[in-house]
Amino acid sequence: SQQGEEDPQALSIQEGENATMNCSYKTSINNLQWYRQNSGRGLVHLILIRSNEREKHSGRLRVTLDTSKKSSSLLITASRAADTASYFCATDRGSGDKLIFGTGTRLQVFP
Amino acid sequence: DAGVIQSPRHEVTEMGQEVTLRCKPISGHNSLFWYRQTMMRGLELLIYFNNNVPIDDSGMPEDRFSAKMPNASFSTLKIQPSEPRDSAVYFCASSSYSRALEDTQYFGPGTRLTVL
Repeated sequence: SQQGEEDPQALSIQEGENATMNCSYKTSINNLQWYRQNSGRGLVHLILIRSNEREKHSGRLRVTLDTSKKSSSLLITASRAADTASYFCATDRGSGDKLIFGTGTRLQVFP
Repeated sequence: DAGVIQSPRHEVTEMGQEVTLRCKPISGHNSLFWYRQTMMRGLELLIYFNNNVPIDDSGMPEDRFSAKMPNASFSTLKIQPSEPRDSAVYFCASSSYSRALEDTQYFGPGTRLTVL
């Protein structure tokens, strides 16, 4: 079964709105990463948050991590049409040697 | 840097044929990963290498799949014989540190495989 489960599976918003995606995982982790995949392309790393961090920012991205609830959220502020993509969380199940990807959230931003 | 290079980008073959997918990781990276992505199963890790040595191949679906990394700049994923259920997009990724989750993975553009 998947280590990470993203929620919602799909999200449609208008440009300028904020988009929030959630990731839940099952086992302890060392770190959690978020990746973006544009249609027909490979995944691109967005941000990494360590298990001892609670929040991290990168440009319009804000990631939170709650290890007690085994969940993370990715917030994209002031979304743009170019943010249209699938977003995946990835965790290591505490092993620190390989990533297990979640099922992804498909984000559609309408201009 | 050219990034991770995969070839071919598209492959259409008939059931029973041998398929070889190729990957050139980013220069200096010592970890290489092969993934498969389908609508039904999402993104699955097939196998990964550290310093050209296979570390975990538990994701390889069956004996029809094999992967090699003869040197630090080249890896292959072979399917022999291929079956229609192998149709998927296959990604190669590399990272510069053996502890994968402490470093970013850089993905190639993928090879879209269709087995008829």
